[in-house]
Amino acid sequence: EDQVTQSPEALRLQEGESSSLNCSYTVSGLRGLFWYRQDPGKGPEFLFTLYSAGEEKEKERLKATLTKKESFLHITAPKPEDSATYLCAVQDSGTYKYIFGTGTRLKVLA
Amino acid sequence: DGGITQSPKYLFRKEGQNVTLSCEQNLNHDAMYWYRQDPGQGLRLIYYSQIVNDFQKGDIAEGYSVSREKKESFPLTVTSAQKNPTAFYLCAISMGVRETQYFGPGTRLLVL
Repeated sequence: EDQVTQSPEALRLQEGESSSLNCSYTVSGLRGLFWYRQDPGKGPEFLFTLYSAGEEKEKERLKATLTKKESFLHITAPKPEDSATYLCAVQDSGTYKYIFGTGTRLKVLA
Repeated sequence: DGGITQSPKYLFRKEGQNVTLSCEQNLNHDAMYWYRQDPGQGLRLIYYSQIVNDFQKGDIAEGYSVSREKKESFPLTVTSAQKNPTAFYLCAISMGVRETQYFGPGTRLLVL
């Protein structure tokens, strides 16, 4: 069964304190892995798509990496405005269906 | 202004009432989706449509219905058969089912 697990569930960081969020997955065939940012009461905002192991993508303070079993979202020197819930999803290459994790709630303190 | 719009932002349903959530897009994307988001759970797929006049059930379609009469619009009706409708409903679009999905702002449905 396709499954996505995100850890930790919640993370509190001081401003400037770098850390990583984890997304581990099991899927019969991976078409892509997606990271989204979601602010309270809003729809998810697309961040990155990763397609194959070893691939990396960067945007401002965020860097996403992918292995055969997991992805990391590295946050370097975070700022309070990076506070949000970060969602990970994988797309099954057979059905094209997205399977979402439950997210990591990130709080960055000034 | 281009993008995905959902309305209303908040919707209240009375017992036994059907309510309809709107999703409109002007990005000319072929595929549209409806998801439900509950606290502590991942997004769950309700229905999706790849082309006009065609749609398929997702994982939790019971108690919901959709139509796709126009490319730009994919309304979701929450029927009285849905016994636990309180949730945050998200519409998404993609150029095709293989492509990246982009989400609208969401509608929060509450039961009176």
